[in-house]
Amino acid sequence: DVKVTQSSRYLVKRTGEKVFLECVQDMDHENMFWYRQDPGLGLRLIYFSYDVKMKEKGDIPEGYSVSREKKERFSLILESASTNQTSMYLCASSLWIPGQGYEQYFGPGTRLTVT
Amino acid sequence: DAKTTQPPSMDCAEGRAANLPCNHSTISGNEYVYWYRQIHSQGPQYIIHGLKNNETNEMASLIITEDRKSSTLILPHATLRDTAVYYCIVGVAGNMLTFGGGTRLMVKP
Repeated sequence: DVKVTQSSRYLVKRTGEKVFLECVQDMDHENMFWYRQDPGLGLRLIYFSYDVKMKEKGDIPEGYSVSREKKERFSLILESASTNQTSMYLCASSLWIPGQGYEQYFGPGTRLTVT
Repeated sequence: DAKTTQPPSMDCAEGRAANLPCNHSTISGNEYVYWYRQIHSQGPQYIIHGLKNNETNEMASLIITEDRKSSTLILPHATLRDTAVYYCIVGVAGNMLTFGGGTRLMVKP
């Protein structure tokens, strides 16, 4: 079974703090993603990465940065946390299977509260 | 722009088939139809996907219309544990998925 783990299930940070959210997958997937989920807005893509040291902006990258130094690890960084970044953050990884499309596997999520 | 339209909520009796519709009228030829579900406080779970043929696995069946503009996810014998938000998504290989609001399925005893 594919396993995607996130460093924390719940996190409380203060405004202005630098926040690191870590995600690790154990299936050698090339693609990794960070989403945030808010009531009424569904899942929105923040950043994704299709290879080590490669990153692409998603729909809402403002206020976030990412790091992918190793294939299995994808980190989301909030340089200066703000209250509007209070949300559920979901990490995912995927593998493309030629002729079959791909499946995206999600971690359990990190509920971040910024006070 | 999620590119799919789903009813916001549905009810289903336990033991009955749950049929969840999805419209994706602007789907392009190389886009797949994916279904995920999210049970409260957990990350989304992959269910099934397809391109143009109907698909079945141990969890569900996916029926895609011939013109590919809509699809239906079928849970053949819904249980209380199938209560979740179900997301229908279209996407291509290696590309990010865009999740819309989904359908909140409530399975009732």
